[in-house]
Amino acid sequence: QITLKESGPALVKPTQTLTLTCTFSGFSVNTDGVGVAWIRQPPGKALEWLSLIYWDDDKRYSPSMKSRATITKDSSKNQVVLTMTNVDPTDTATYFCAQGLSSKSFSYDSWGQGTLVTVSS
Amino acid sequence: QSMLTQAPSVSAAPGQKVTISCSGKSSNFASNSVSWYQQLPGTAPKLLIYENNKRPSGIPDRFSGSKSGTSAILVISGLQTGDEADYYCGTWDTTVNAFYVFGSGTKLTVL
Repeated sequence: QITLKESGPALVKPTQTLTLTCTFSGFSVNTDGVGVAWIRQPPGKALEWLSLIYWDDDKRYSPSMKSRATITKDSSKNQVVLTMTNVDPTDTATYFCAQGLSSKSFSYDSWGQGTLVTVSS
Repeated sequence: QSMLTQAPSVSAAPGQKVTISCSGKSSNFASNSVSWYQQLPGTAPKLLIYENNKRPSGIPDRFSGSKSGTSAILVISGLQTGDEADYYCGTWDTTVNAFYVFGSGTKLTVL
């Protein structure tokens, strides 16, 4: 059974750095064809894909992140971490992590429950 | 702003069939497959369709997908009240540095 769970601060001040952790079980992020992505959803708005890290440590970012985001993995801890610098109130959203598989063209079949992050002074 | 366009809302009665469309630029649709996600209120999205028309295990065949050119369609037949949700399409944009994009979302109301 695959599970993913997001964790991080509920409240962050503008200009600070946000660090989110995705802790998962039921798979290894080092297995060929596996990726873990971060996706967010501002309140009442659409999903927005942020970043993906592949089993071979290749990484992809949304152009909207404009170099503010860094994704890393720690396979020994079964974790993927997303760091976002210089946050502002528009980064307020529920942040999800999700597993993608090459066998499904890296669509996202397993999701965490999401964690709400509010950016406010 | 999403590069994949969906109608904001669609509605239909129980038992009927509804079509949800997703249109994009040739850069993301031409050589990349489309996925569809269902998001029930207050929950994480769920994968309904991947690679244009394939269903993950456990997804009923009431849900079907297709893609043609720069558009994709999700069809839900035999509508149930439990299908009331937001639906998103998604695909890879491989123009320069590959990244994934979601559609703007369609709210389905089952009357």
